[in-house]
Amino acid sequence: EAQVTQNPRYLITVTGKKLTVTCSQNMNHEYMSWYRQDPGLGLRQIYYSMNVEVTDKGDVPEGYKVSRKEKRNFPLILESPSPNQTSLYFCASSLGTGPGNTIYFGEGSWLTVV
Amino acid sequence: GQNIDQPTEMTATEGAIVQINCTYQTSGFNGLFWYQQHAGEAPTFLSYNVLDGLEEKGRFSSFLSRSKGYSYLLLKELQMKDSASYLCAVEGGATNKLIFGTGTLLAVQP
Repeated sequence: EAQVTQNPRYLITVTGKKLTVTCSQNMNHEYMSWYRQDPGLGLRQIYYSMNVEVTDKGDVPEGYKVSRKEKRNFPLILESPSPNQTSLYFCASSLGTGPGNTIYFGEGSWLTVV
Repeated sequence: GQNIDQPTEMTATEGAIVQINCTYQTSGFNGLFWYQQHAGEAPTFLSYNVLDGLEEKGRFSSFLSRSKGYSYLLLKELQMKDSASYLCAVEGGATNKLIFGTGTLLAVQP
């Protein structure tokens, strides 16, 4: 089954404790990205990657890191989480970056930083 | 600047028709997506418009007017399971970046 898988789905952590949210897709998609979704703000892009070893900042990259060592994986790293990073996070992928490429989302990761 | 406007909430009755509007002002336009998102779940693709006019897909249709910066999603024969948020997203620029609106929460009542 074609899917985008992210883990963990739910996490409560403490301020400053490094964490990684993994993301994997099995559709051989070139493009992957991370979004956060907050009430009243909608989906905002954190980072994206157009291919292996190619990553770039989205609209809200502060406090986050990513890597793309393999085509299928695109982990999101929070080096020192803070409470303002409490959010619902979505990993997404698409076949390419041309117009009309549908983005497929993972199921989401609920992150709470206390 | 980038700006996408949708109503925050709408209510409709089961079996009826509802139209969800989206207006946009973006620094480039390649196409417009509509996504459906049930509470706590991932957004799922509904439609994509690149040319002016109406695209029909079963109970759902989407309309685009590029000159007016306007789109709408039309849902017919509403069902309770259509209660969800509907996200308008515009892709544009050299990287086809997707900018999302804040979504319209639709409540379908019996």
